[in-house]
Amino acid sequence: GEDVEQSLFLSVREGDSSVINCTYTDSSSTYLYWYKQEPGAGLQLLTYIFSNMDMKQDQRLTVLLNKKDKHLSLRIADTQTGDSAIYFCAESRSHGGFKTIFGAGTRLFVKA
Amino acid sequence: DAGVIQSPRHEVTEMGQEVTLRCKPISGHNSLFWYRQTMMRGLELLIYFNNNVPIDDSGMPEDRFSAKMPNASFSTLKIQPSEPRDSAVYFCASSTRTSGDTGELFFGEGSRLTVL
Repeated sequence: GEDVEQSLFLSVREGDSSVINCTYTDSSSTYLYWYKQEPGAGLQLLTYIFSNMDMKQDQRLTVLLNKKDKHLSLRIADTQTGDSAIYFCAESRSHGGFKTIFGAGTRLFVKA
Repeated sequence: DAGVIQSPRHEVTEMGQEVTLRCKPISGHNSLFWYRQTMMRGLELLIYFNNNVPIDDSGMPEDRFSAKMPNASFSTLKIQPSEPRDSAVYFCASSTRTSGDTGELFFGEGSRLTVL
């Protein structure tokens, strides 16, 4: 299909790890991204992974990429209440230029 | 440095009226994107431009929607006539698209449109 798919909601307790999963469609995507959207704001890039990598770690964030299954995940260690937001998975597709296609977003709730 | 600037931030209008949303991309960015966000459909790409030229408008829902980019520092998204189902948050984003670039998108704060 054409869609980037991700689950819509995730609820975790403060201090636990959060794992947000995504499946994408274009095997030729050079970069895959995770964006974060806080209430009333636009999206901001959280992290990205180059398609020839399996894993990328950035402080509390770990991104895993399985190209065979077209599966991307974002793990947030020691989740804090400030991590509550919507997290979007995205892929960059070549089409004339490059267009970035987003999933529907996973709303992360962090309970104190 | 100024980010992507969108106006208006909020607009409430009546069905049938024309709506014009405006965007100023980050200086030096050569790609500009218009997205629409709703609870039902998530974040949809409407149209994008490279070097002021529309590359892909397949996401524009109907002929009522049109977008222009007359120069590198300004773009508009117009809805005429507007309908209640057009109510959404419309985001503009800009990017550089050069070889080796990550293609990070920089988003404006969005224009929240309500059509009564």
